Amino acid sequence: DQQVKQNSPSLSVQEGRISILNCDYTNSMFDYFLWYKKYPAEGPTFLISISSIKDKNEDGRFTVFLNKSAKHLSLHIVPSQPGDSAVYFCAAKRGGGSQGNLIFGKGTKLSVKP
Amino acid sequence: EAQVTQNPRYLITVTGKKLTVTCSQNMNHEYMSWYRQDPGLGLRQIYYSMNVEVTDKGDVPEGYKVSRKEKRNFPLILESPSPNQTSLYFCASSPRGTGGFSEQYFGPGTRLTVT
Repeated sequence: DQQVKQNSPSLSVQEGRISILNCDYTNSMFDYFLWYKKYPAEGPTFLISISSIKDKNEDGRFTVFLNKSAKHLSLHIVPSQPGDSAVYFCAAKRGGGSQGNLIFGKGTKLSVKP
Repeated sequence: EAQVTQNPRYLITVTGKKLTVTCSQNMNHEYMSWYRQDPGLGLRQIYYSMNVEVTDKGDVPEGYKVSRKEKRNFPLILESPSPNQTSLYFCASSPRGTGGFSEQYFGPGTRLTVT
């Protein structure tokens, strides 16, 4: 049973436009959500996070929106740049203090075309 | 430089030959984890450790062992590797953050092939 779902394996966007990456989850006990970015031949790097008590978190060009009632979060990148081309993983943490236990989605490959 | 290191980066081995993938972090982090990444399956957690001598199973622990004898190291042990353990492995660490959570820092990955 997949608890964190990224239903779009890939997304292609023109440079300068908005990229929207989506993530759905099934477990209402998740209390923290994160986005990681991964380039080929490198480990994932943390991008942005949001607590379940918030509905929006912004960091520069990156904004994460959380809709708890729909169990849905999205990552907006605006404006998109060619250097943003990477695989993006959505992840969720189970509540109860178990910090090490992250559940990842399958990832969405973003391609930003010049 | 703050980092998570893994060795080896690439390994080809045969079924049944015990191997260890080392992971070390120099950030004094309490938490360390191992993940495997497979096509179409994303990142799946194998084991994690909340502190020295404290380890727990993730979502796919079968066929793996770990130990946490010291804070900086968290080796992944495959006692009898099988072809279905061919994968890309990532080690990660994180500090104990205020409010109980911090993001994880990942190593560069170890690509393991078991024939």
